[in-house]
Amino acid sequence: EIVLTQSPGTLSLSPGERATLSCRASQSVSTSHLGWYQQKPGQAPRLLIYGTSRRATGIPDRFSGSGSETDFTLTISRLEPEDFAVYYCQQYGRSPSWTFGQGTKVEIK
Amino acid sequence: QVQLLQSGAEVKKPGASVKVSCKASGYTFSSYGLLWVRQAPGQGLEWMGWINTDNGNRNYGQKFQSRVTITTDTSTGTVHMELRSLRSDDTAMYYCARVGGLGGTLDYWGQGTLVTVSS
Repeated sequence: EIVLTQSPGTLSLSPGERATLSCRASQSVSTSHLGWYQQKPGQAPRLLIYGTSRRATGIPDRFSGSGSETDFTLTISRLEPEDFAVYYCQQYGRSPSWTFGQGTKVEIK
Repeated sequence: QVQLLQSGAEVKKPGASVKVSCKASGYTFSSYGLLWVRQAPGQGLEWMGWINTDNGNRNYGQKFQSRVTITTDTSTGTVHMELRSLRSDDTAMYYCARVGGLGGTLDYWGQGTLVTVSS
């Protein structure tokens, strides 16, 4: 089973700053099978990025994803007030199966 | 528009079972798989199981394999998740999500169902 480790656990930043979130896999992951989700308090997760770098419908272009093999990154170029939330990476495996990272909380500094 | 509407909150005693439903609308039900994810209070997301709504094939996470059953009712476009032998640590929000295509993308989510297990 592939384990996803996200870092940092918490990122304290100010609006307008750049956020860089990391997701490291214990084994190589196909770039087609890596996604990112945003979750705000009291809400269900929302798809942001799929296939490592493709933005979901309606997601602003300040969100971008990159990476390959075991190292993946979600970047928010300039934080808006509504971007303060928890972010999860997710990989899709055989059988099929799904695995999530433990999450990174982006909080207002 | 695509919607996944889940059943309401449940309170159960330890040892009981719970059945949570997820009714899909706004798309061809059998064209997309559905899965269940849970989130304990203050914790992360945990995949429980998946069902192919076209042929009924299923796969469960190892942790839940002995206690969970996911079924589909194509006549109503509904997927059900039953969890048995409930324990206090099963207290969580349970979400259904649609598998949006190749790559395992979870493109639509239900609103969540809170299951509380307490004596």
